[in-house]
Amino acid sequence: NAGVTQTPKFQVLKTGQSMTLQCAQDMNHEYMSWYRQDPGMGLRLIHYSVGAGITDQGEVPNGYNVSRSTTEDFPLRLLSAAPSQTSVYFCASRTTAGTNTFGSGTRLTVV
Amino acid sequence: GEDVEQSLFLSVREGDSSVINCTYTDSSSTYLYWYKQEPGAGLQLLTYIFSNMDMKQDQRLTVLLNKKDKHLSLRIADTQTGDSAIYFCAGARDDKIIFGKGTRLHILP
Repeated sequence: NAGVTQTPKFQVLKTGQSMTLQCAQDMNHEYMSWYRQDPGMGLRLIHYSVGAGITDQGEVPNGYNVSRSTTEDFPLRLLSAAPSQTSVYFCASRTTAGTNTFGSGTRLTVV
Repeated sequence: GEDVEQSLFLSVREGDSSVINCTYTDSSSTYLYWYKQEPGAGLQLLTYIFSNMDMKQDQRLTVLLNKKDKHLSLRIADTQTGDSAIYFCAGARDDKIIFGKGTRLHILP
């Protein structure tokens, strides 16, 4: 039972490059979300989805796109990476009771 | 919107009880959660409480909810070195879960 799988675990990008952070879950959860974690800031919600075909913005959506074509996958796209996007990114999927399962994170550095 | 506040640091001697506190602004939160994050890892759900409950106990963990004061606490009995981590309080409203900034628990020998 893999739970929530995030890839890659580490990534270095140059300013202006684009990339996609992958997230997949095998628990058939409808609700998935992306957070970024920065020192002293806790976790901030970037985007979330309540089901296939439905996405919405969180607290800090600028510079990121998401899509949800299947229940299992919820990729996060950085359109044009900036140093301010250096962070640790966590994907989570959630039961109907509201309990989140988190992936192990992607540590992204933008130089 | 939801705002969740926690103190940033707590130091406790091994064997003592740890009490981590959290305040929240939105009284319509349906659930309130405690997560644990160990170094280099993701967040692990420790426990959660429904907003119509006052207390929940699970082995060494006790969650207290004071709805009037919008205050949530996590008590860890007999604190061990393995409890050293960052603890996040979180509230849920509608489709969003909002996290506090986390409390770093440091265990003193």
